[in-house]
Amino acid sequence: NAGVMQNPRHLVRRRGQEARLRCSPMKGHSHVYWYRQLPEEGLKFMVYLQKENIIDESGMPKERFSAEFPKEGPSILRIQQVVRGDSAAYFCASSHDWDSNYGYTFGSGTRLTVV
Amino acid sequence: EDQVTQSPEALRLQEGESSSLNCSYTVSGLRGLFWYRQDPGKGPEFLFTLYSAGEEKEKERLKATLTKKESFLHITAPKPEDSATYLCAVQSGSARQLTFGSGTQLTVLP
Repeated sequence: NAGVMQNPRHLVRRRGQEARLRCSPMKGHSHVYWYRQLPEEGLKFMVYLQKENIIDESGMPKERFSAEFPKEGPSILRIQQVVRGDSAAYFCASSHDWDSNYGYTFGSGTRLTVV
Repeated sequence: EDQVTQSPEALRLQEGESSSLNCSYTVSGLRGLFWYRQDPGKGPEFLFTLYSAGEEKEKERLKATLTKKESFLHITAPKPEDSATYLCAVQSGSARQLTFGSGTQLTVLP
């Protein structure tokens, strides 16, 4: 069991470019969550998805950010026209169902640097 | 709005010196309190879930306890490999997401 796979591990983008972060959940997990960790801050919830559905995007910035979890393939977090303030570690977590005794399994994250 | 406060922000212990980390929370209807460990450059690693006041869980040198207002992570006779940031998070009401504290950075010196 490969766990939650995120790629790329590190991503450098110039201001104004697009960033695409990918997350493959653990086998058998159908719930995906994205979190952002800014330097010296805690993890902040962004969005919760199930296959082909956005369930809760209350933590997602209203502009430039979008997420999807298609029927086939990984979940994608997309950031358009990146700015320096988007530099952070982005973590994906997955679960079998949302009320799990085993917690949420996190990936190793994608570290986005905007230059 | 759910709030989680962890203390201390940083803790340095000598190997074998037991201590406790604190997590105070304010939620409207606790569904679960989670403890995670995070090593530098890695994602959080799940340790425990606690659901109700009075509940305790143990794993090796770690023991987590829960009251109606806070949770403690007790570390007994820590080793250098226990050095990490320990994160506390809550899940409340019908929300799926977790609300995290800022963590306690633990350093265990040999």
